[in-house]
Amino acid sequence: DAKTTQPNSMESNEEEPVHLPCNHSTISGTDYIHWYRQLPSQGPEYVIHGLTSNVNNRMASLAIAEDRKSSTLILHRATLRDAAVYYCILREKGNQFYFGTGTSLTVIP
Amino acid sequence: DVKVTQSSRYLVKRTGEKVFLECVQDMDHENMFWYRQDPGLGLRLIYFSYDVKMKEKGDIPEGYSVSREKKERFSLILESASTNQTSMYLCASTADLNSPLHFGNGTRLTVT
Repeated sequence: DAKTTQPNSMESNEEEPVHLPCNHSTISGTDYIHWYRQLPSQGPEYVIHGLTSNVNNRMASLAIAEDRKSSTLILHRATLRDAAVYYCILREKGNQFYFGTGTSLTVIP
Repeated sequence: DVKVTQSSRYLVKRTGEKVFLECVQDMDHENMFWYRQDPGLGLRLIYFSYDVKMKEKGDIPEGYSVSREKKERFSLILESASTNQTSMYLCASTADLNSPLHFGNGTRLTVT
């Protein structure tokens, strides 16, 4: 099964960049890499997704390794509102999105 | 913006009761999902629907059933609630399987 591996937790100082890593060594050639985040008491929120090339949007950047076996979510300037659990997920078995347990990001003022 | 609405934020039910969790999306999405979220286990897929009246089992369908009679509505049914079904339930929808998932805010179900 294509699954993802992320660190359980990370810390960052406010206004500094944050690099959240994800390993997905069994990814298939057609699977998009998705990133979501979940704030306390809310459902997961879409952050960004990509296939092969690096992607940017207003929330974050996604850097995808050339072999696609890993990716990194980049928050350019962490704010207190970015404290959340971040999930790197892949689609597998045609329709199942495997979430795993994610990385809990703490932002230190 | 896509809106996915789950009918209840908190629900308390007794063991053996039949429980209905409702989810409605307003963007004409083909695909809808039900997940449960438990501490240390992440989100696990219960059922998935890719069209009206169509459904597929996810990783943990036992003890659950689903109904999709209209495109915008996907219901999760606990035929006879048990205490091990106490959990956060999350509904999601997407236009296609390479597009982002849009989640509701969840229903926290407690079965006593």
